[in-house]
This record gives sequence, structure tokens and C-alpha cells, in this order.
Amino acid sequence: AQSVTQLDSQVPVFEEAPVELRCNYSSSVSVYLFWYVQYPNQGLQLLLKYLSGSTLVKGINGFEAEFNKSQTSFHLRKPSVHISDTAEYFCAVSVTGGGNKLTFGTGTQLKVEL
Amino acid sequence: EAGVVQSPRYKIIEKKQPVAFWCNPISGHNTLYWYLQNLGQGPELLIRYENEEAVDDSQLPKDRFSAERLKGVDSTLKIQPAELGDSAVYLCASSLGRRGRDADTQYFGPGTRLTVL
Repeated sequence: AQSVTQLDSQVPVFEEAPVELRCNYSSSVSVYLFWYVQYPNQGLQLLLKYLSGSTLVKGINGFEAEFNKSQTSFHLRKPSVHISDTAEYFCAVSVTGGGNKLTFGTGTQLKVEL
Repeated sequence: EAGVVQSPRYKIIEKKQPVAFWCNPISGHNTLYWYLQNLGQGPELLIRYENEEAVDDSQLPKDRFSAERLKGVDSTLKIQPAELGDSAVYLCASSLGRRGRDADTQYFGPGTRLTVL
């Protein structure tokens, strides 16, 4: 079975600073990887996803992530954060033949401070 | 285009009472998912529908939880009777459901926050 680990439960950062949210996964078969964002009292919104091809994936709101197969990682980055980026970020994985079932990590709370 | 609609947004009940949640997916989306999200955790899949058929309900506690998706459009998730540990957010999501696609984007509703007293 597949699993996702988000080691950082909270990441504080000052506005306009860069940020990296870490995600590691475990799976015995090929994977698809996703990052979702959840604002307070809202559902999850897709930031970006990796299916195949280029390992650097660009998403909405200036976020990008890089798939590293050897390190089984899919870290999320943004070169300059804004106060409005404060939210919970979830990494998720699905596997080929898995019926589009998403397995989520426990989430990372990004808090952007002035 | 309207997103995934869920109601109610909030529900407070006493333990042992029944409760139901409703979800209307994005028009044209064949696949519908119900997730449970406990505080401080990521969502966990409860059940997945392909049209009217429940194709994955392995994580649904069938002794007290039930779901239906009549006519392959909107869906209802029910808990009877509710327990204290059922307090959580119940999320509904939908996707196009193209055959063989394991990475269709799932679009989430705002969720129903259930509090069991």
C-alpha cells in the first residue's frame, strides 16, 4: 500500500521569503503525485500534479514542485510567499490501477507572517 | 460553472441520533467520493462511486454508515447512530471518471462539519 509523509506539521515564514514544504511517499508501483491547499472552512483545491514527463511541475499561485524518484520526494516550493498563502497544504498520491484513490499526508500548516 | 455543493455546512447532534449529508457533484462528473477528515489529519476515503455503483467502500464502517447515489448524480451519506468519535469534517469530491484514468483531478466541496455531543 502507498503512504505519504509530511514531516513538518507547521512552517512559519515571513512574507516575501521563499518556502519549501516537504513530502515523501512510499509505493511499490508507479505513482501520481498531487499537492492540494485548504483554506479555513473550505474544501481542498488542487495546486499542481505530477503524472509523467518533466519532473518540475508548475502550478497555480506561483507554486512549483519537483518529483524526485530516487529520493521518493515531491517537495513544494514558492520563491516568495504572500500573506494570502497562509493555509493547510496536503500532499497526496495515487497509484496506477488504483482507481484514482488518493492517499493524503497529514498536512503542513503554512503561516505567513508580516 | 458551479463547484461541488454540500449541505448542511455545519451539523450539531447528540450521540445516538441519525444524521445525513448531501452532495451534488459538478455536472458531468461520473465519479463521486466521500472523505472523512479528522482534525489535524488529511482526508481519508470512505466510499467511491462510478455512476450509481459503489466501486470502493472498503473503508466505510458499514455497521453505522451508509451511502447512496441514486440516478448517478447527487449522493447522501448517512450515519445511524452517531457516536462521539464521528465528529469530523465530511468532504465530498467529484471527478470526470474517464475509464482507465487514475489521476483525474478531484474537485472538493466545502465539507460538512459534524459535531456529536
